Amino acid sequence: KNEVEQSPQNLTAQEGEFITINCSYSVGISALHWLQQHPGGGIVSLFMLSSGKKKHGRLIATINIQEKHSSLHITASHPRDSAVYICAVLPTGNQFYFGTGTSLTVIP
Amino acid sequence: DSGVTQTPKHLITATGQRVTLRCSPRSGDLSVYWYQQSLDQGLQFLIQYYNGEERAKGNILERFSAQQFPDLHSELNLSSLELGDSALYFCASSASGVPYNEQFFGPGTRLTVL
Repeated sequence: KNEVEQSPQNLTAQEGEFITINCSYSVGISALHWLQQHPGGGIVSLFMLSSGKKKHGRLIATINIQEKHSSLHITASHPRDSAVYICAVLPTGNQFYFGTGTSLTVIP
Repeated sequence: DSGVTQTPKHLITATGQRVTLRCSPRSGDLSVYWYQQSLDQGLQFLIQYYNGEERAKGNILERFSAQQFPDLHSELNLSSLELGDSALYFCASSASGVPYNEQFFGPGTRLTVL
């Protein structure tokens, strides 16, 4: 059983739409990581969260520790946002557990 | 460009063989993490080194081993290769030994075992 569940698995949006990707986990964690994987395979770290909310440009990440849930929001989506978004959680110890990813396609 | 380099970019080999993947971290980063991404398992953490010493171990098979050298580059050795070892192997680096610091990913090595 995967400790990390992401939804939706696939998402298609029109350019300009507001997008939300969800991540739920079943264990207590000390941090949560959002990653972006480009179509070519490269991975970029977007956010590392342990509480509250972080914002970077058009991206916003929130986490609710009590509800064991995090969301990644993209405002004014653009075709260059098309990628796979991966959530990873860090329970006690040094090992991250990864979700299976949400594949986002933004259509012009 | 994250500043993390990995070589080779692609590797094609046969079952039973042994290969070595190399990672150079960003300048100044002391930690190196290795991850495997396969189609059926997704991303999995393999192992972390910090300043030359093993810091954490994940789902790393006994046929796999890694080390970090004094110049901080790291190598992942995969032996007795099986078809199921075909995957993308990423390394990432971070400044400190704690995993909740930002990690910078290399471009990956795509391993194909035939």
